Amino acid sequence: ILNVEQSPQSLHVQEGDSTNFTCSFPSSNFYALHWYRWETAKSPEALFVMTLNGDEKKKGRISATLNTKEGYSYLYIKGSQPEDSATYLCAFWSGYALNFGKGTSLLVTP
Amino acid sequence: GAVVSQHPSRVICKSGTSVKIECRSLDFQATTMFWYRQFPKKSLMLMATSNEGSKATYEQGVEKDKFLINHASLTLSTLTVTSAHPEDSSFYICSARDPTGPFTEAFFGQGTRLTVV
Repeated sequence: ILNVEQSPQSLHVQEGDSTNFTCSFPSSNFYALHWYRWETAKSPEALFVMTLNGDEKKKGRISATLNTKEGYSYLYIKGSQPEDSATYLCAFWSGYALNFGKGTSLLVTP
Repeated sequence: GAVVSQHPSRVICKSGTSVKIECRSLDFQATTMFWYRQFPKKSLMLMATSNEGSKATYEQGVEKDKFLINHASLTLSTLTVTSAHPEDSSFYICSARDPTGPFTEAFFGQGTRLTVV
């Protein structure tokens, strides 16, 4: 089992705050790092699939960076909104399956 | 985007009975599907990899005779929890990747909450 760690476990911010969370993963035999957003009662949905060291991807107010040499990725949310409340999962692609972290649960209150 | 449909979303069964969970890829052919299980406050843990037309590959510690996986077509994989016991109560979710590229995202079913009483 490949160890994927996410921190913090949960986060509570006010509307308008910017926030970020961390995912650490094995730095050897890297294939890809995925970020998913999982809202209650829905299926996880992909945010980003990152493959190259130094990658930076952006989707609206959400962005992510990747450091494969040291084995970490950051997810940033700028100007958080209540609709951003969800669990954010990162997953390390081992070459045949995704290995997930426990997720960061984000709550954004008005 | 691609859709994966999982059914049922919630099931309660008696101890000793079997439960079948279906996972369908609706608009792409999935040669491989993955089955995960999540216990409270834990990560999604890979149980097995379902391969169309061949035997599933089980992760260490997952009993293949208890969790029967069938992937008879390119769009359907089933997980049967046989002789279920209360400790099998968990959240089960399937996923599939569109196999057209090596680094494509995974698509997930809605998950199945199994409660064994």
